Amino acid sequence: GAGVSQSPSNKVTEKGKDVELRCDPISGHTALYWYRQSLGQGLEFLIYFQGNSAPDKSGLPSDRFSAERTGGSVSTLTIQRTQQEDSAVYLCASTRAGTGGLAFFGQGTRLTVV
Amino acid sequence: AQRVTQPEKLLSVFKGAPVELKCNYSYSGSPELFWYVQYSRQRLQLLLRHISRESIKGFTADLNKGETSFHLKKPFAQEEDSAMYYCALDGDDKIIFGKGTRLHILP
Repeated sequence: GAGVSQSPSNKVTEKGKDVELRCDPISGHTALYWYRQSLGQGLEFLIYFQGNSAPDKSGLPSDRFSAERTGGSVSTLTIQRTQQEDSAVYLCASTRAGTGGLAFFGQGTRLTVV
Repeated sequence: AQRVTQPEKLLSVFKGAPVELKCNYSYSGSPELFWYVQYSRQRLQLLLRHISRESIKGFTADLNKGETSFHLKKPFAQEEDSAMYYCALDGDDKIIFGKGTRLHILP
């Protein structure tokens, strides 16, 4: 596709429910990142996938958060038993091999837990 | 440890005044540094990278290895510069972002 695509754009969920957020990276991009932006805050790193390597999960805030990347392309971020503090914008970014820090971001998913 | 520090969470500058957004890094190798920008209701995007040594929208950034800094500068602020700015380092295995600085241009 033309850019990184995330769905849904907005998600309102009840506290305690599970949610899945999807990211379609740019075709051919080998690396994929998930970040969180809470209201008025900066980027918070969550997880990083690079090719076939084991993902870097060091940023996941709790075991309620998990992510997978199927076939080296689409990624899904899952939040189980959502809490109000999970409300934020979740951003996905991808990079092409050899381009280092040149990342392309999606438009984000705004998650609201009520 | 690899780290990017943006000491200012918020910076307010009058229109027409000079802007300097600070960024310091910690990295043992030869760093590649970037500035990203997020305007209101737009996606986060690359503003400039140090290896390009270019000026984008009037902004420049010089890598100072002695001071381990990569400050973003613009001589005369414009209202459309109001945005969130992130400094980033191409680390050993992934991109490291700073926490960001919100730039607010006052009329």
